Amino acid sequence: GAVVSQHPSRVICKSGTSVKIECRSLDFQATTMFWYRQFPKQSLMLMATSNEGSKATYEQGVEKDKFLINHASLTLSTLTVTSAHPEDSSFYICSAKGQGAREPQHFGDGTRLSIL
Amino acid sequence: DAKTTQPTSMDCAEGRAANLPCNHSTISGNEYVYWYRQIHSQGPQYIIHGLKNNETNEMASLIITEDRKSSTLILPHATLRDTAVYYCIVSPLNTGGFKTIFGAGTRLFVKA
Repeated sequence: GAVVSQHPSRVICKSGTSVKIECRSLDFQATTMFWYRQFPKQSLMLMATSNEGSKATYEQGVEKDKFLINHASLTLSTLTVTSAHPEDSSFYICSAKGQGAREPQHFGDGTRLSIL
Repeated sequence: DAKTTQPTSMDCAEGRAANLPCNHSTISGNEYVYWYRQIHSQGPQYIIHGLKNNETNEMASLIITEDRKSSTLILPHATLRDTAVYYCIVSPLNTGGFKTIFGAGTRLFVKA
């Protein structure tokens, strides 16, 4: 089946650091990629949708200058958490959708970000 | 907001069929029903999707009512590894720009 690789799986860093998370579709081309965050015992919350070669569309309440998304190719999207603070600690998950209209989303295994 | 409602949690005995219901009474004609599951501390896993006909794959079966206002995901022989949160999502058949909004899902406990 379709595979999405997300890296790193876990990050622990100091407050004020910027952290980049990569999301790659390994065996298919992803026209659209999505970024979610998930707090403990809660559901996934959509942060933004990105289409290859265009600017990401952010959900209401998500700061685009805080969470920089780049979707430079059909197989790679990156999320950069800029100047991270403890409240940014969360589980970040990416997903990618193939080119067919009926294609489901395929998810990475997530990145657990801990800001000290 | 999510367009589906699901029970908060369910139990199932190992080896028995797990039937997970989902209500989507406001579903539109161009929206598919998708099911995903999330095992603890992992990313969600795609299970199955359908429009109006029943669907079956190696993981599960999806039964959609004739009026499409509800559906049931069936895991025919549940195992302990099927313990997870199961999400039912309706999403339009678009080539791009659609959103997948997750509700709270159903927490399925498979017990030995």
